[in-house]
Amino acid sequence: QVKLLQSGAALVKPGASVKMSCKASGYTFTDYWVSWVKQSHGRSLEWIGEIYPNSGATKFNEKFKGKATLTVDKSPSTAYMELSRLTSEDSAIYYCGRRAYYGTNYFDYWGQGVMVTVSS
Amino acid sequence: DIVLTQSPALAVSLGQRATISCRASQSVSTSSYDFMHWYQQKPGQQPILFIYDAFNLPSSIPARFSGSGSGTDFTLTINPVQADDIATYYCQQSRELPLTFGSGTKLEIK
Repeated sequence: QVKLLQSGAALVKPGASVKMSCKASGYTFTDYWVSWVKQSHGRSLEWIGEIYPNSGATKFNEKFKGKATLTVDKSPSTAYMELSRLTSEDSAIYYCGRRAYYGTNYFDYWGQGVMVTVSS
Repeated sequence: DIVLTQSPALAVSLGQRATISCRASQSVSTSSYDFMHWYQQKPGQQPILFIYDAFNLPSSIPARFSGSGSGTDFTLTINPVQADDIATYYCQQSRELPLTFGSGTKLEIK
């Protein structure tokens, strides 16, 4: 079955960067967008951006341009997101999610989330 | 950006109907599709897709859930509500980028 397995929680210092992973299985990795979504404590969901593994094409929420870098490694079917120049505002849970390339592009599968804590 | 507005909370009795609404700041429908989707999220868990394209249920979702609406006004209905349905429900539009989510409606037991 489809699974998105994310890397573990991270504690990072202000000003540093963090890179997290999302390993896909159970489907053809290159056929779907991999999106990243931020959920700050007790708050709603914000779409950061996404990458299409087949071509490496990316789309971003303007708010996160310059903050997030998205990459993929087709083998072993893993997407990565790096967040730079971290501040306390970046402390949150980050989810990866799968979206179809065609159609209405809803999120049909999600990873379990990565908790990032920014603290000195 | 398309803003999605949801009521923060809804209290219902077990066995009753729950109606959760989502209003978009502009239409998220075309002549062919409704680009509105609903997710359930329980504390400490990732969101789960419950409704796509306004009214379609994934195969794993119980038939007591239903969705309706078009244009700017959409509804998720649970009938009857069961204890396992207690969660926060988010609407999400994919009509245009950036993708946006509602602020979530927390379903509570009365």
